[in-house]
Amino acid sequence: DVKVTQSSRYLVKRTGEKVFLECVQDMDHENMFWYRQDPGLGLRLIYFSYDVKMKEKGDIPEGYSVSREKKERFSLILESASTNQTSMYLCASTPFFRPGGTEAFFGQGTRLTVV
Amino acid sequence: GENVEQHPSTLSVQEGDSAVIKCTYSDSASNYFPWYKQELGKRPQLIIDIRSNVGEKKDQRIAVTLNKTAKHFSLHITETQPEDSAVYFCAASRETGANNLFFGTGTRLTVIP
Repeated sequence: DVKVTQSSRYLVKRTGEKVFLECVQDMDHENMFWYRQDPGLGLRLIYFSYDVKMKEKGDIPEGYSVSREKKERFSLILESASTNQTSMYLCASTPFFRPGGTEAFFGQGTRLTVV
Repeated sequence: GENVEQHPSTLSVQEGDSAVIKCTYSDSASNYFPWYKQELGKRPQLIIDIRSNVGEKKDQRIAVTLNKTAKHFSLHITETQPEDSAVYFCAASRETGANNLFFGTGTRLTVIP
């Protein structure tokens, strides 16, 4: 019963390449997030979206962009990959407030290595 | 925006002992405080949450306390077991429509058999 799916588990890309990370959720959630996870730094928010075609910058948006053309899909784009973008990327989704909870569901993560 | 600080970054306990992880937040409008557990190689999953109209919540060996005045909340795990070994993240949010979730930096808990 996987609810949030990321397109790749592992990815190796070359410096300067354009990289697309895809995330799909099947829970009809309004909010979707992209986080970057690095040792000792926790989960840092890159971008989030609360509606189709809407996006908000998080704490570390530099070097990234996002696209949300459909409610269930949120894409993270590295315009020109650099070695300092080597990391684990996690997608998550939450509903707008509903009585009983606004639990975040995470994808399985994409470990991106830029060489 | 919200700033969530989490301590300690690593914690080692003997099996059967208790573990406590503490978080502080900065936005007084935050009213939802979940805790996530991430086992090695797996995705974070919600283990317990608390809302600002409640001071304490328990679920078997896990409890969370909230002090709104001091803007801090804590996770307590009693009778720890090896399967409790994981990274734990606290988070804070305003439980409104477009709710953004702000995470702490995580605590790596190791339970020594």
